[in-house]
Order: sequence, then C-alpha cells, then structure tokens
Amino acid sequence: DAGVTQSPTHLIKTRGQQVTLRCSPISGHKSVSWYQQVLGQGPQFIFQYYEKEERGRGNFPDRFSARQFPNYSSELNVNALLLGDSALYLCASSLAVEQDAFFGQGTRLTVV
Amino acid sequence: GQQLNQSPQSMFIQEGEDVSMNCTSSSIFNTWLWYKQDPGEGPVLLIALYKAGELTSNGRLTAQFGITRKDSFLNISASIPSDVGIYFCAGNFQGAQKLVFGQGTRLTINP
Repeated sequence: DAGVTQSPTHLIKTRGQQVTLRCSPISGHKSVSWYQQVLGQGPQFIFQYYEKEERGRGNFPDRFSARQFPNYSSELNVNALLLGDSALYLCASSLAVEQDAFFGQGTRLTVV
Repeated sequence: GQQLNQSPQSMFIQEGEDVSMNCTSSSIFNTWLWYKQDPGEGPVLLIALYKAGELTSNGRLTAQFGITRKDSFLNISASIPSDVGIYFCAGNFQGAQKLVFGQGTRLTINP
C-alpha cells in the first residue's frame, strides 16, 4: 500500500513568491496535518484538516493557508515567502483526528 | 505553549550497546509516540502508547508511557548501525489536534 506521498520533493523559490505543496494521505485516512521542520529542530504543527474542515491551526502567520479536497488530499499554500520559511514541510495522515500520524517524506523548500 | 523536553540531545555509543532516551512534559498527555528520522526523510513511527503505565515493544525497541502521563522513555537494545538517526518523542493532550514534538535525540554508533 502506498504511504503518504508529497510533491514536489524539493523546491527553490525567491523571496516574495508564493508556493503550493501537495499531499496525498494513506488510503482510507481522512485526516491530514501539516508540519514545518527547520534544521535541527522537531516538527512544528501548522494545520490539521479532517473531512475537509480545518480542525486545528498552529502559531503561524496568515500567509500560511491550506485546504483539503473531497478525496482527502491536501494543499499547503504559503504567500509572500520569507527566507525564514526555508524548511522541510511534512504532511502526516491519520484515520481520525487523534489517531496515530504517519508522515510523508517531506518537501524541502529553500527560499533565496 | 506545550513543550516536550527530550534528553539526551545526542548519544555516541558502540555497536551492541543498549540505548535509553526520555521525554518529559509539564502537561498531561493523552498519547505518546516515538519516531525515527533519517536525513532528508520524514519521521517514521516506531511505537505508539495510549495508556498510563503501558509498556510496548517493537523488536529491539521498548517504550513506556509514564504513570504520571507526563513522561515516556524509549530503549533500544543491542544497537546496530541502522539504528543511527534522530529519534523524536511526540505527544498530544486530550482534545488537541496537534502533535507536540521533542527536540530530538541524535544517535551515532561507532562500529
């Protein structure tokens, strides 16, 4: 069975640009969460979606937004990119809101 | 906000040695999870714990959910080279949608 898949795997953007990251959850999983992991730290929670509705939001600016589609895949959008947005962006899927989270391989975003 | 204190930050051991790492929290957690992350990859779930006092094994790995619900430990027995990586504890508290992660323990094994 396919695990959590994220695309693209690597991305380079310029300051001020916008980026969209994509995630497909494990088949049957209805919850998708997004995390940001900067080098040397643990992942930080950005959003959780369940059944296409936002269920949780971390301490990130409004430049960060996300949505979940009817097939439970998800997109994370970041506007007006800053150098500090450079990080590994991880998507995790779970059966439901408080179930075990399984992570994808991440998208490495570099902002120059 | 909620924080997890994970220790040690790094470990340098000989192949075959046992390893122990732990996490503590100032808050009561509902679930404790342990992940391993290799360079350039996403975290891989190793063990999930759901009840206070629960002791769970996965091969050479053993983890326990502390009685106070504010701590957890992970033990690795007879370490091998493929155990190298960064280990993270993570947990969530009741009603929360997010996982809170520790800072990670970087494990290095000398052959």
